[in-house]
Amino acid sequence: TQLLEQSPQFLSIQEGENLTVYCNSSSVFSSLQWYRQEPGEGPVLLVTVVTGGEVKKLKRLTFQFGDARKDSSLHITAAQPGDTGLYLCAGAGAAGNKLTFGGGTRVLVKP
Amino acid sequence: DTGVSQNPRHKITKRGQNVTFRCDPISEHNRLYWYRQTLGQGPEFLTYFQNEAQLEKSRLLSDRFSAERPKGSFSTLEIQRTEQGDSAMYLCASSRSPGYNEQFFGPGTRLTVL
Repeated sequence: TQLLEQSPQFLSIQEGENLTVYCNSSSVFSSLQWYRQEPGEGPVLLVTVVTGGEVKKLKRLTFQFGDARKDSSLHITAAQPGDTGLYLCAGAGAAGNKLTFGGGTRVLVKP
Repeated sequence: DTGVSQNPRHKITKRGQNVTFRCDPISEHNRLYWYRQTLGQGPEFLTYFQNEAQLEKSRLLSDRFSAERPKGSFSTLEIQRTEQGDSAMYLCASSRSPGYNEQFFGPGTRLTVL
């Protein structure tokens, strides 16, 4: 059974600060996706990482896939209140069908 | 550009009643997935279809749950004899295959069983 653990579970920071969310597993994933979810809505895809060691940037968000494709991180620079939400990582196995989700990190950015 | 749509958005029912949810995927996507999310948790996989074929079902999908995708387009998820433990957000996602399995989610259906 593939499991993904996210840390921390909750993060509260002031506007302008940086933050990092971690996603760890003992399993290898063929790809890993990061989503952000607002209350009462479905997850919105932010990025997909595929290659070990890959780094992708999306404005102030930087995503990294571990060399062994077992872990990933999301770094937000100069966080803004609009970054508030539940961040979810999800890994796809070799069969590439279902996603295994982490438990999520709830981020609160206070103005 | 239309995304994944789900109906209804909210459903309140009494224990023992049957409910049915509908999902319309992105039109060119041939894979469709159902997930369930309870409060404070990440989504959990229930089942998925490639075109009209149901290829995998989770152990979470008890005999009271059934999903169909009759013509390879929209899908329905039915829960029979609902229980309070079925209360959750039911999410549908679709993706294109082959590919890196980027899944795009709908807004979900929030089920409350009284």
